[in-house]
Amino acid sequence: LAKTTQPISMDSYEGQEVNITCSHNNIATNDYITWYQQFPSQGPRFIIQGYKTKVTNEVASLFIPADRKSSTLSLPRVSLSDTAVYYCLVGGANTGGFKTIFGAGTRLFVKA
Amino acid sequence: NAGVTQTPKFQVLKTGQSMTLQCAQDMNHEYMSWYRQDPGMGLRLIHYSVGAGITDQGEVPNGYNVSRSTTEDFPLRLLSAAPSQTSVYFCASSFRGVSDTQYFGPGTRLTVL
Repeated sequence: LAKTTQPISMDSYEGQEVNITCSHNNIATNDYITWYQQFPSQGPRFIIQGYKTKVTNEVASLFIPADRKSSTLSLPRVSLSDTAVYYCLVGGANTGGFKTIFGAGTRLFVKA
Repeated sequence: NAGVTQTPKFQVLKTGQSMTLQCAQDMNHEYMSWYRQDPGMGLRLIHYSVGAGITDQGEVPNGYNVSRSTTEDFPLRLLSAAPSQTSVYFCASSFRGVSDTQYFGPGTRLTVL
């Protein structure tokens, strides 16, 4: 399974764009990159998933360079309610993908 | 759809007691898993199942048993509770595996005295 490395914490202000980068140097050809968000006392919630280049949904964008050794979750114009822990996961069905390994995540704190 | 449900929400046990945490999903997902999350930490995989009758160990399986007799249910059994098992337990399901969106339950907060 590809190991992921993320910053432990980040601070931001309301209205700013926040970019959280995840390193996954050992990503395999069949691996997908998935990001989850977790609020206190709740289970993680899916944000976005991608394989290459750029993926955008109503919540976030995910940028993946050509070598796929890293990825960046972009949250546009964050609000106080975006304060949460964000997890980057890498895996796929052909690379032990049934075992999901969550790292420590990135704790984002949005200030007014 | 109710999604993923877990019972109970809270539980206090004494050392040595046994109990079963219940997890059910109504999305016809093949893949189900159990995680534990200690304060300030990420989630650690305890056991997972890729379908009825098939289970396997995750990162931290010791002290826990699972079975998967139906697609819908995936109970987690603590055989002899220890204070080190004090944690929040999350159950999750997905259609296939990690490449699919995982849906998490609300969690069970377990305290072992």
